[in-house]
This record gives sequence, structure tokens and C-alpha cells, in this order.
Amino acid sequence: DQQVKQNSPSLSVQEGRISILNCDYTNSMFDYFLWYKKYPAEGPTFLISISSIKDKNEDGRFTVFLNKSAKHLSLHIVPSQPGDSAVYFCAAMRNTGNQFYFGTGTSLTVIP
Amino acid sequence: DVKVTQSSRYLVKRTGEKVFLECVQDMDHENMFWYRQDPGLGLRLIYFSYDVKMKEKGDIPEGYSVSREKKERFSLILESASTNQTSMYLCASSIQRDIQETQYFGPGTRLLVL
Repeated sequence: DQQVKQNSPSLSVQEGRISILNCDYTNSMFDYFLWYKKYPAEGPTFLISISSIKDKNEDGRFTVFLNKSAKHLSLHIVPSQPGDSAVYFCAAMRNTGNQFYFGTGTSLTVIP
Repeated sequence: DVKVTQSSRYLVKRTGEKVFLECVQDMDHENMFWYRQDPGLGLRLIYFSYDVKMKEKGDIPEGYSVSREKKERFSLILESASTNQTSMYLCASSIQRDIQETQYFGPGTRLLVL
């Protein structure tokens, strides 16, 4: 049973515009959320995270928003750049345990 | 800087062969993980280990086993490879979760089983 879901398998955005990637989760015990970026033939790399005690975390062009009541998080990239073209995975952790739960990924294409 | 390395980037094996995928991390992390990535299915956890000689099944352990004899090394074993095990295999490591921490991934091994 998929506890973390990314319902959009792909997204295309013009360079300079905002990219919004969405993620939903079902387990209310999750208290830490992360976004990873993955280029083809490489391992995922950590991008940004957010704790459940916050509703927003910002790092440069990347901002993650968390809506706990809706069990929803989103990643905003602004302005989008061609180098942002990659697959983005969201992940979640419970407040106990060491296991990460990953979504199915969203492939972002930024068009120059 | 954390380094997670995997023994092979690409592997081609025949059905029924025993396959070993090796992963080494250099940051003294307690936790190590093996995932497979398939289109439309994301990253699925096969096994993880939170200490030497300890292992826990993930979501899809069938057909796989693991070994963790040393802290820095976590091996994934396909006892008898099958074509449905053709996939990208990703190893990751993280510290024990007393603080919120990320996982660090290796570059992946793309395995083709013929």
C-alpha cells in the first residue's frame, strides 16, 4: 500500500516560471518530509526537507510547503531552470523508526 | 562529504545466476538500505540494516537476501536471478535517527537479467 503518493508522473514548465510538484501521504505518524532529485543513471540527491512542526521551509529557489491537515506537501521551484529537469521524489519518515517511504516520482521538464 | 559507492554501475546476468551487489559508505553510518527503482513504481525498499549483522525486511524482500558483516558494507544478494529482477538498484545510508537526517544514495547499479 503506497503511503506516499505523487499523482503527477510528469510536469513541463517554461524556463523562468514556477514549478509546483505535489505529494500526498496517508500516514499521520509521518513527521519529517524530504524531497530528492534524481538525474538519469545517478542516485537521488537530497534537495530540501521539512519537519512537521513547520509549514514552510525555504532554500534558495526551492520552497517546501506542508499542510498537515490535508496530508499534503508541495515543492515550489522558482524560477525554474533547464538544469532542474529531473525526476523528483518526495519521502516521509515516521516519528519512530529509520525507514523512509518514497513516492513514485514526478518527472520535471523545464523547457528553455 | 558522504560517499556511498556501489560495486558496479551496470551488470548483465543470466536467469538462475547468483548475483552480488556491493555497497560501501565511508561516513560511519549505522543505517543502510537497498532499494529498487522501476518506472511508475518509484523507490521500493528491499531490505535495510540498522547495525552490523542486523537486517529488516522492506516492502519487497522476496527473492533477495542481504549481508552486513561490517558497518561500512551492505551487500544485496539475488539467490537465483530472474528476469523480473531487472531494475535499477540503489543503496543508501543514514545515521541513527536521533536527529532528522537524510539518506545518502549511491550512483545505482543497473541490472539486466537475461
